[in-house]
Amino acid sequence: ELKVEQNPLFLSMQEGKNYTIYCNYSTTSDRLYWYRQDPGKSLESLFVLLSNGAVKQEGRLMASLDTKARLSTLHITAAVHDLSATYFCAVDITQAGTALIFGKGTTLSVSS
Amino acid sequence: DAGVTQSPTHLIKTRGQQVTLRCSPKSGHDTVSWYQQALGQGPQFIFQYYEEEERQRGNFPDRFSGHQFPNYSSELNVNALLLGDSALYLCASSLAGTGTSLTDTQYFGPGTRLTVL
Repeated sequence: ELKVEQNPLFLSMQEGKNYTIYCNYSTTSDRLYWYRQDPGKSLESLFVLLSNGAVKQEGRLMASLDTKARLSTLHITAAVHDLSATYFCAVDITQAGTALIFGKGTTLSVSS
Repeated sequence: DAGVTQSPTHLIKTRGQQVTLRCSPKSGHDTVSWYQQALGQGPQFIFQYYEEEERQRGNFPDRFSGHQFPNYSSELNVNALLLGDSALYLCASSLAGTGTSLTDTQYFGPGTRLTVL
């Protein structure tokens, strides 16, 4: 059974600090997704990582994928309050990105 | 361009009843997947429809069934509702591809909040 584990599950950060969220998965997969979810809202796609060594950056967020270690990281640089949300990583169990297994999510709270 | 739409937004049912949730995919998308998200948890994959057939299924009982129509829209049916079925039900659409394109990203709808009393 495929397992996707995120840590930490909760993260309280100060504005301006850096931190990393880790996502480990238990099966071979070259496709890893990161989503953001605000309270009471749906999921917003952040990054799609399609190959070993892939690195994507958007604003203060950077995601990377190491398929050999079965590890993805989401790095937050100089956190701001607007980044407060729950972040999910997900692994595709098909070859077409249409059936995702999600981690439990990391709830990020950024305070001044 | 309308994104993924779902109806209804909220729904309250009692144990034992049946419910039907609806989803219209993003324009140009032909694949619909359904997920169940319990409070405080990550979404769990229920099943996926492509070309009007169920192509993949997660670990959900037969009480959960679905359908995809020729216009790619989809329904999720849940029979004999249990208290544990209370959750946010998310529909996601994508364009079936080879798995090598960024267009394989799934886009999620706003969800239907189901409460079973």
